[in-house]
Amino acid sequence: GENVEQHPSTLSVQEGDSAVIKCTYSDSASNYFPWYKQELGKGPQLIIDIRSNVGEKKDQRIAVTLNKTAKHFSLHITETQPEDSAVYFCAASRGTKLTFGTGTRLTIIP
Amino acid sequence: DTAVSQTPKYLVTQMGNDKSIKCEQNLGHDTMYWYKQDSKKFLKIMFSYNNKELIINETVPNRFSPKSPDKAHLNLHINSLELGDSAVYFCASSLPGLAGGHNEQFFGPGTRLTVL
Repeated sequence: GENVEQHPSTLSVQEGDSAVIKCTYSDSASNYFPWYKQELGKGPQLIIDIRSNVGEKKDQRIAVTLNKTAKHFSLHITETQPEDSAVYFCAASRGTKLTFGTGTRLTIIP
Repeated sequence: DTAVSQTPKYLVTQMGNDKSIKCEQNLGHDTMYWYKQDSKKFLKIMFSYNNKELIINETVPNRFSPKSPDKAHLNLHINSLELGDSAVYFCASSLPGLAGGHNEQFFGPGTRLTVL
């Protein structure tokens, strides 16, 4: 089955700096790669996703890149703000089953 | 309006008891899921239903039994609760993917289950 590794497990950045979270996956047939943000006491919420026919996608301060050959994808958050503090999960899927990474706790230092 | 709702939000119970968690979505989605998030925040799929039919059944003890009375509801019943069942359980829903694709999953707020 699919295996998704995510790094780092914790990340602290100064407000206004950029944050990068990286994931690798094992199943070359996976074709959908979402990123979820989970705030304290809440369920995960999709922030951006990318499909395997695209190499990069951007939505305001958030961008995701995908390297299918190397089987890795990354989340980039620019101009970080205090409200970006949360746990972020990457995931990979082929079909309906999502396999999640182990999560990154991002802390923005004011 | 709440998109995906779960009840109860907190559930504290003794080992050996039987309990249920309810989930409802008002998004008109056909596919619903149950996930377990352990104390280390690891999020793992347990079950998935599409239009009331089971399509994903991961390696979950048979003490866990999902039930989908209609496509807007997916309940989780747990028999003979054990200490290791303590976790946060999330329900989610999505539209079915077309041609093997995948659509955004919308998660509920979670049910924190504590087994004493």
